[in-house]
Amino acid sequence: GQQLNQSPQSMFIQEGEDVSMNCTSSSIFNTWLWYKQDPGEGPVLLIALYKAGELTSNGRLTAQFGITRKDSFLNISASIPSDVGIYFCAGSRIQGAQKLVFGQGTRLTINP
Amino acid sequence: NAGVTQTPKFQVLKTGQSMTLQCAQDMNHEYMSWYRQDPGMGLRLIHYSVGAGITDQGEVPNGYNVSRSTTEDFPLRLLSAAPSQTSVYFCASSSGRREQYFGPGTRLTVT
Repeated sequence: GQQLNQSPQSMFIQEGEDVSMNCTSSSIFNTWLWYKQDPGEGPVLLIALYKAGELTSNGRLTAQFGITRKDSFLNISASIPSDVGIYFCAGSRIQGAQKLVFGQGTRLTINP
Repeated sequence: NAGVTQTPKFQVLKTGQSMTLQCAQDMNHEYMSWYRQDPGMGLRLIHYSVGAGITDQGEVPNGYNVSRSTTEDFPLRLLSAAPSQTSVYFCASSSGRREQYFGPGTRLTVT
């Protein structure tokens, strides 16, 4: 089945650095979301994007819905230890956050 | 609100056994769904429901049945478990077409 292409697969950074990850697709998605998953937990929503070109922030996190509707990126500024985890992008071909297709995830590790 | 709850948290089955994974939400959400997550992969949609009495298949429905008799509950049934169904199962719910909220997951091993 189709999944979104998420990159990088893993990142090892120093505390305080900025982080950037992205998600691409060969087909159009009308909704993009970014989730974070901690070990043994379910995904937790970080940011939801509903319009092409939309740029949305949530604290130190910023995400954008690509203008072609085939990609999205997530930036984390000034990383802190609690940012460690796996980040997933998810997309929906319908307008709204249902019937999600997920990326493979980006595992973020932070060296203090 | 408890949000989305799932039981059991862990389960071990033998090949051929049947079981039901429970999912409940207390947010009066009309939309509920089941996903599975395999190691190193994102979540994949198994089945979903847009309201009581209405269900439909997702990306990987084979080997799973669902029903939705109430707004609150959306159980997932494995009729004859197979090792390929070893996975972590997540239930999610949402209101309208807004963001989905996920439960804590059920870790299933089939031997």
